[in-house]
Amino acid sequence: GAGVSQSPRYKVAKRGQDVALRCDPISGHVSLFWYQQALGQGPEFLTYFQNEAQLDKSGLPSDRFFAERPEGSVSTLKIQRTQQEDSAVYLCASSLQGSTDTQYFGPGTRLTVL
Amino acid sequence: GENVEQHPSTLSVQEGDSAVIKCTYSDSASNYFPWYKQELGKRPQLIIDIRSNVGEKKDQRIAVTLNKTAKHFSLHITETQPEDSAVYFCAADEDTGGFKTIFGAGTRLFVKA
Repeated sequence: GAGVSQSPRYKVAKRGQDVALRCDPISGHVSLFWYQQALGQGPEFLTYFQNEAQLDKSGLPSDRFFAERPEGSVSTLKIQRTQQEDSAVYLCASSLQGSTDTQYFGPGTRLTVL
Repeated sequence: GENVEQHPSTLSVQEGDSAVIKCTYSDSASNYFPWYKQELGKRPQLIIDIRSNVGEKKDQRIAVTLNKTAKHFSLHITETQPEDSAVYFCAADEDTGGFKTIFGAGTRLFVKA
């Protein structure tokens, strides 16, 4: 079946622009996670959804970051007024239920802020 | 919160040799320890995981051991092949109700033919 997909795969933004990153999880997966992966580092947790409920957003670096999953499937991560330090790969993952079930990652969106 | 440390950061082995990657974690309440492989420019993929009720798990050339008392776990790859070259991440769940996975910084494994 189809895996997790993300779009766009690459995004270049000028500093100060807003961006929106999309994640399509595996159908039927209750849990959806967003991670930020800096070059040469492991994924860092940003936020977690269980269906449409955002149960944990403790990893979001600032109030410029906002995520939603309004119908419990597709999710969007929005970054307002992008800064150079936001440059990273943004990974989305989904699982059947929670972080102790296998997480299936998307290919990521590489964001470059100039 | 949970903190996961991983070493070495880089590991180079000859084809056919074994490779061992070690991780430590800080939260004694963590129960789930997955390992991911990430090839250059690709997504992380789960290769093996272990839960706190077992001490060892094996899948063909890959094995993971867990020592809950010492709070460390290790990945063992035997008979390494060039296609094993990748970055490997260990991780642990943070016991906040099943939401967070905390990743190590990664080990870049080179398998020389």
